[in-house]
Amino acid sequence: GAVVSQHPSWVICKSGTSVKIECRSLDFQATTMFWYRQFPKQSLMLMATSNEGSKATYEQGVEKDKFLINHASLTLSTLTVTSAHPEDSSFYICSAGVLAGGNNEQFFGPGTRLTVL
Amino acid sequence: GENVEQHPSTLSVQEGDSAVIKCTYSDSASNYFPWYKQELGKRPQLIIDIRSNVGEKKDQRIAVTLNKTAKHFSLHITETQPEDSAVYFCAAIHSMDTGRRALTFGSGTRLQVQP
Repeated sequence: GAVVSQHPSWVICKSGTSVKIECRSLDFQATTMFWYRQFPKQSLMLMATSNEGSKATYEQGVEKDKFLINHASLTLSTLTVTSAHPEDSSFYICSAGVLAGGNNEQFFGPGTRLTVL
Repeated sequence: GENVEQHPSTLSVQEGDSAVIKCTYSDSASNYFPWYKQELGKRPQLIIDIRSNVGEKKDQRIAVTLNKTAKHFSLHITETQPEDSAVYFCAAIHSMDTGRRALTFGSGTRLQVQP
């Protein structure tokens, strides 16, 4: 099946620093990538939809200037958490999919656990 | 937009028993319903899915049923095993919705299978 990688798998940073997370589709081209955030014992909450070559679409309540998303190619999307604060500590998961016809399966990355001290 | 509700939030069964998790959705245009299993600290894994043109799908010990009229779908796990213990998420989407193609997830069910 399709493989999506995410890097880093975990990161610890100081408050006020920025952290970049990469999401790559390894064996397919993803027209769309999605970024989710998952707090402990909660569901996956969509943060933004990233389309290659265009601006990301952010969900209501997600600050686009704080969570910068770049989808420069069909295999790479990045999420940068700027000026991170302890409340940004979470599990960030990306997913990628090829949306054509009736096929809408999404493939998830392994996630990145961010801890902001 | 779509809203997916999932019940129960926790479910404890004895090994060998069956487990049923139920979800309802709000958007009648949704036509694709996947189920994911997530172990602690890991990515969600697709375990089964169903499209709106069928009412039931089975894969070994796992089955999913869909009632389009009532807008609900259920996951059935038979002969549960300890390794089935995980959090299960249902999701829904209108696969041809060009405006919004992200999955809407339910709140999750923590299944614990007691040996």
